[in-house]
Amino acid sequence: GDSVTQMEGPVTLSEEACLTINCTYTATGYPSLFWYVQYPGEGLQLLLKATKADDKGSNKGFEATYRKETTSFHLEKGSVQVSDSAVYFCALSEDNQGGKLIFGQGTELSVKP
Amino acid sequence: GAVVSQHPSRVICKSGTSVKIECRSLDFQATTMFWYRQFPKKSLMLMATSNEGSKATYEQGVEKDKFLINHASLTLSTLTVTSAHPEDSSFYICRAKGAGGYTFGSGTRLTVV
Repeated sequence: GDSVTQMEGPVTLSEEACLTINCTYTATGYPSLFWYVQYPGEGLQLLLKATKADDKGSNKGFEATYRKETTSFHLEKGSVQVSDSAVYFCALSEDNQGGKLIFGQGTELSVKP
Repeated sequence: GAVVSQHPSRVICKSGTSVKIECRSLDFQATTMFWYRQFPKKSLMLMATSNEGSKATYEQGVEKDKFLINHASLTLSTLTVTSAHPEDSSFYICRAKGAGGYTFGSGTRLTVV
């Protein structure tokens, strides 16, 4: 079945450092790919998404490119802030609205001042 | 934007008792509700999907008699954990589908002692 694998955390960075969180997937069809963020004590929020190969999703300085050839959707940010400290989840869905999501295990990011 | 109010946010209960978690869509009609659980440092796992007025569809391995889901109206869905045990301690979160898309609740941290 479909699955998502993320790099293990926690990831600890200093403010203004570059961030990459790896995400790879396996899917039988052509899924849509998502990144969700969960701030401490809160529910999940959609951060960005891409619905087809070579699409780039971007939001709040984060971006991720749908790479079909490597089945990847790595999350990147050039300069992280303390407020970016959260858990990040990569997910896929066989429909582009994200109906039935399959999540990766989550990667905790901690940004120190 | 669309808001899903989930209550309680935290609950501690004694082993053997039942706990009810509510998710209300505040400004839209939720035709479908997804219920997830998240173990510490693990991903979110879909437990069940419910459509308003219909019986819930449970994922493989989820006991329907233990996790009772009711979706009797377009603005309210409930998950009841019956005869809770310490291994049921987890983070439970709902996700509602409305005309404008999908919205997560803020989650419920259940601790069974």
